[in-house]
Amino acid sequence: QKEVEQNSGPLSVPEGAIASLNCTYSDRGSQSFFWYRQYSGKSPELIMSIYSNGDKEDGRFTAQLNKASQYVSLLIRDSQPSDSATYLCAVRGGNTGKLIFGQGTTLQVKP
Amino acid sequence: DADVTQTPRNRITKTGKRIMLECSQTKGHDRMYWYRQDPGLGLRLIYYSFDVKDINKGEISDGYSVSRQAQAKFSLSLESAIPNQTALYFCATSDPGAGGGTDTQYFGPGTRLTVL
Repeated sequence: QKEVEQNSGPLSVPEGAIASLNCTYSDRGSQSFFWYRQYSGKSPELIMSIYSNGDKEDGRFTAQLNKASQYVSLLIRDSQPSDSATYLCAVRGGNTGKLIFGQGTTLQVKP
Repeated sequence: DADVTQTPRNRITKTGKRIMLECSQTKGHDRMYWYRQDPGLGLRLIYYSFDVKDINKGEISDGYSVSRQAQAKFSLSLESAIPNQTALYFCATSDPGAGGGTDTQYFGPGTRLTVL
């Protein structure tokens, strides 16, 4: 079992729709959770971080964390073609403090 | 100017050659990291350093070495490059004392390395 798992996609949504990206993790001691966006050939950039159970909203983005289910998600409202990218879920391990990345989900927003 | 820079940005080399990738940062962060990215595999940690005197292996350190010359500089070396080291390499920095202790990682622009 991979430590951090994401569906590689591609996930295709029409412009204006809600895109839902999911991530599961195996280390129950994990404390910090991050979503990065990566355009093709570019470096990852941080979109959201979340540390407590529940929802965290920032503009069109909402991160959701459920530690009991070991599940973190990212919702993108009013999706735009410019949101088309690969979204990386990253989890900070409970013991080592290192970030473990999922393989990423490719999102395609069609005009 | 970019906070985290990497040189070179692109490099083509031959099997058996020694190559060094360099990372510099102006963020003042103590922690620095080297990752490689391969299609479908996400980012994998090669080495990390929490300060100038602290170097640690990541999950895929075989075939690589690092040097932390100063707080701002962290270099990755391939002593004898092989084709399966062809990948996109990223340097990152973080500061556990900033932003409420979130230790967010910030990435450089990447180096695309091809080993023939």
